[in-house]
Amino acid sequence: QSVLTQAPSVSAAPGQKVTISCSGSSSNIGNNYVSWYQRLPGTAPKLLIYEDEKRPSGIPDRFSGSKSGASATLGITGLQTGDEADYYCGTWDRSLSAEGWVFGGGTKLTVL
Amino acid sequence: QLQLQESGPGLVEPSETLYLTCIVSGGSISSSSCYWGWIRQPPWKGLEWIGSIYYSGSTHYNPSLKSRVTISVDTSKSQFSLKLSSVTAADTAVYYCARHKGDYGDLSRGFDSWGQGTLVTVSS
Repeated sequence: QSVLTQAPSVSAAPGQKVTISCSGSSSNIGNNYVSWYQRLPGTAPKLLIYEDEKRPSGIPDRFSGSKSGASATLGITGLQTGDEADYYCGTWDRSLSAEGWVFGGGTKLTVL
Repeated sequence: QLQLQESGPGLVEPSETLYLTCIVSGGSISSSSCYWGWIRQPPWKGLEWIGSIYYSGSTHYNPSLKSRVTISVDTSKSQFSLKLSSVTAADTAVYYCARHKGDYGDLSRGFDSWGQGTLVTVSS
């Protein structure tokens, strides 16, 4: 059970917009940067968003990130069938007993 | 362009030790603005961070794996390595190496370059 909570799945039609949420706490999202990763079937994860809202070069502006308090959101507009993938949030977690990098459980996006 | 490539045995027997190496090319493993990390993904499960190392040798490990994990770096060979002891079937996973963005002491900025991954199966 991850300390970051994501919905297991989400679906939307081509051309539509979808949001994927990542819920944490003050020991992780609330006080550290969030990054988002896309894992297409059979490939390595790819960084989509870093430092809450920044896009690496080459990532289209259809992908966006935001954060409010202890929750973060990935937005994808103009959905394409090629966006079907698993999406993971991640951040540094610093609790009283331990610290380390944590990933959310992942959200499977289906483009209908 | 930075490239990372994992290598190591694809099959490890239970109770033995898993060894993997990641070769870094197209960039400096001695960069002061990043760590180097290992992440794994068991079949049908999510991503799990194993640990990260700075070029100086300073390490951070996942608390749940810390007792079994050792990550080391060899800057002369531009590579870093993972050792996971006393493996069980639960350690069967695709193992990735990745660049972990951030200055020394700052591991909050994520993983911006990944190797292709290597499947390690624990079985007799």
